[in-house]
Amino acid sequence: QKEVEQNSGPLSVPEGAIASLNCTYSDRGSQSFFWYRQYSGKSPELIMSIYSNGDKEDGRFTAQLNKASQYVSLLIRDSQPSDSATYLCAVEAGNTPLVFGKGTRLSVIA
Amino acid sequence: DGGITQSPKYLFRKEGQNVTLSCEQNLNHDAMYWYRQDPGQGLRLIYYSQIVNDFQKGDIAEGYSVSREKKESFPLTVTSAQKNPTAFYLCATRGGYTEAFFGQGTRLTVV
Repeated sequence: QKEVEQNSGPLSVPEGAIASLNCTYSDRGSQSFFWYRQYSGKSPELIMSIYSNGDKEDGRFTAQLNKASQYVSLLIRDSQPSDSATYLCAVEAGNTPLVFGKGTRLSVIA
Repeated sequence: DGGITQSPKYLFRKEGQNVTLSCEQNLNHDAMYWYRQDPGQGLRLIYYSQIVNDFQKGDIAEGYSVSREKKESFPLTVTSAQKNPTAFYLCATRGGYTEAFFGQGTRLTVV
């Protein structure tokens, strides 16, 4: 059974701070990694995708991948109250459905 | 306007009743998925289809059925055998080894 683990939170950070969200996965053959943001009552929307070891930056967001440690993270710089949401980590190995973690709830305090 | 359309947005089911959730896409994606989301449970895979006229069970297929007669459509039927169907249902598509795109979801409630 492929598993994706996330701390459920809530993770509370002050406005302007860096939020760090973490995810571990069990399938060493996993190749594709995604971070989704989900506001309450809404469907998930893609924030970042990462496929190779290292960092990938997009605006205020940075995804980090370490396949040896089976670990992927998302950093949000200059956190804003509008970033308050649940963040879902999703992992895929080959042509198989994405496996989602349970999500980490982030609260940015103004 | 490309995308994934789920309908209805809200659905109410009586005890013992079958209901069908619609999912239509015009992204020309081969793969389509149905996920169920309960509070604090993340997304759990119900069924998926990677090609027309073929589909596979996911982790929680009991009490559900699907069909894939057209590339654009992947309806989900919640049967009376599903004893706890109240949840948020999400349809998603993928075009190859890429991210999944989600519809707006259907919130199903048993009354």
